[in-house]
Amino acid sequence: GAGVSQSPRYKVAKRGQDVALRCDPISGHVSLFWYQQALGQGPEFLTYFQNEAQLDKSGLPSDRFFAERPEGSVSTLKIQRTQQEDSAVYLCASSSPGRASYEQYFGPGTRLTVT
Amino acid sequence: QQPVQSPQAVILREGEDAVINCSSSKALYSVHWYRQKHGEAPVFLMILLKGGEQKGHDKISASFNEKKQQSSLYLTASQLSYSGTYFCGTELDSNYQLIWGAGTKLIIKP
Repeated sequence: GAGVSQSPRYKVAKRGQDVALRCDPISGHVSLFWYQQALGQGPEFLTYFQNEAQLDKSGLPSDRFFAERPEGSVSTLKIQRTQQEDSAVYLCASSSPGRASYEQYFGPGTRLTVT
Repeated sequence: QQPVQSPQAVILREGEDAVINCSSSKALYSVHWYRQKHGEAPVFLMILLKGGEQKGHDKISASFNEKKQQSSLYLTASQLSYSGTYFCGTELDSNYQLIWGAGTKLIIKP
């Protein structure tokens, strides 16, 4: 069966450009999480969806970050006017039940480099 | 609020044992353990919930001391495939967020 996929795998953006990162969760998974992982660090929570509802966006670092999951499956994380500090790996994870207390399946991540 | 993992790194010979610790200053609902190899996605190892329930792979052993808000991951008879960075993620009550530690890098040498 297919796992979580993310695209693109690598993205280089010039400072000020907008980027869109896509996540395809495992089919039927209710929960979807976005994380930001800096080099040598653990993932940091960005936002959480339960189906199409964004229940928690407290981890989004600024109003330049926006996430959506309009039909409760594919999700897109958009970063506007990228800054160098946005450079990181962006991980998406999905889970079957509706909270964090279950196994999360991670995608391979999108490595964003802002120059 | 970030849990503290120790040690930061450990080097083992194949077949040796290791313990990785995760400590939080907050009351926890659950502790999650994942392993991440360089350039790859984190892979689930185990979840330990308040009250004693555990979910995970049979070959992985871990404990959760609710009073001390501490969890330990036990790696016995280590294999080369165990190499990677181990992360604990902590979940507070009624909260969707996992707060992750900084990781413990494990190197296994033949």
